[in-house]
Formats: sequence, C-alpha cells, structure tokens
Amino acid sequence: DAGVTQSPTHLIKTRGQHVTLRCSPISGHKSVSWYQQVLGQGPQFIFQYYEKEERGRGNFPDRFSARQFPNYSSELNVNALLLGDSALYLCASSLRTSDRLNTEAFFGQGTRLTVV
Amino acid sequence: AQSVTQLGSHVSVSEGALVLLRCNYSSSVPPYLFWYVQYPNQGLQLLLKYTSAATLVKGINGFEAEFKKSETSFHLTKPSAHMSDAAEYFCAVRRGSSNTGKLIFGQGTTLQVKP
Repeated sequence: DAGVTQSPTHLIKTRGQHVTLRCSPISGHKSVSWYQQVLGQGPQFIFQYYEKEERGRGNFPDRFSARQFPNYSSELNVNALLLGDSALYLCASSLRTSDRLNTEAFFGQGTRLTVV
Repeated sequence: AQSVTQLGSHVSVSEGALVLLRCNYSSSVPPYLFWYVQYPNQGLQLLLKYTSAATLVKGINGFEAEFKKSETSFHLTKPSAHMSDAAEYFCAVRRGSSNTGKLIFGQGTTLQVKP
C-alpha cells in the first residue's frame, strides 16, 4: 500500500521566487495537513484541508496558501520566498478531520526546501 | 491554549539501558497525546497515542507511555535501548474535542544510543 507521497523530495529556490509542493494522501484519506519543520525544531502546523475546504490555519503569513483537489491531493504554495522559509515541509493525511474515531495522522517523507 | 514541553533536547543511553524521554503538556481540555519518531531525512512515524482510554499505552518497537493527568505528563519509556532506536523523538498534543487535526509538537529530543 502506498503511503503519503510528497514531491519533490528536495528543492532549491532563490529569494523572491515562488514554490509549489505537492502531496498525495493515502488512498481513502480525505484530510490533508501541512507542517513546516525548521532544522532543530518540532513541526509547526500550517494548514488542514478536508473535502477540499480549509479547516484550520496556523500562524503563517499570507504568502503561504494551499488547496485540495477533488482526488484529495494537495498543493502548498509559498510566494516571495525568504531565507527563513528554508525547512522540511511535511504533509500528513488522515481518514477524516478530527474526531474520537479518527486520531491518527500519517506523515510523508517531506520536501526539503532550501532558499538561497 | 495547548503546548508541549520536552525536557532534555539530547538524551544519551547505553545499549540495553532504560530509555526515558520526558514530555509535559498544557491543555485546558482533555487532550489526545502522541509520540512520533523521526529518522534522519525522513518523515514522522507514529510510535503510540493516548486518546482517553487506558492510561498506559503500548506502542511499536517496545515503547510505551503513561498518561498522568495529575502531573500533566506523558513520558515515553523503553526497558532496553537498541542501537536502531537512535533518532529524534517528538511529543505532540491535540485537542480531543477539536474539529481540526492540528497537532502541536514539542521541540524534540535526540536519543543517542552508545554501544
């Protein structure tokens, strides 16, 4: 069974550029969340999408945006890249949004973004 | 607001010794608690989770954790460390009643296992 897949695995961009990261959830999962993990820190929540609607947003600037497609895959977009955006971007999928019966999020391998 | 504090950014144990990684949480509502492991250049793998059932939770690879409400703690233990346990470990909390799956992570603890 395929797990959560993210592409690309590594990416180098220049300050001011735009980047798009992609995530395919586990088959049957309808919820996708995005996290940013800066080196040496724990992951920070960016967005959650469920059934193509935004269900949660973390404390990130408007340069960060995301969307979810009818097949439940998702894209994370970051505009006007800053050096501080360099991080590992993790995607997590789950069956539904949070409830007592659905408590586990499965993470992908991440996309390592380096901004120079 | 919820938060997680992992005590000790680095823990070093000898192979075969007890592993104890500490996690304290802050939550105004009953929380769901998780431990994840991250190997170099990889994503996060769930070790175990507490979702208000049994307070002693057993996970994969011989790890377990005990939810102690009075101490607001969810420490991770393993009786005997193996070299393959060397990795980064993250404690995370989520509101049990939340309608989002937002996880709040601690800063992480690097576990070193010495031969």
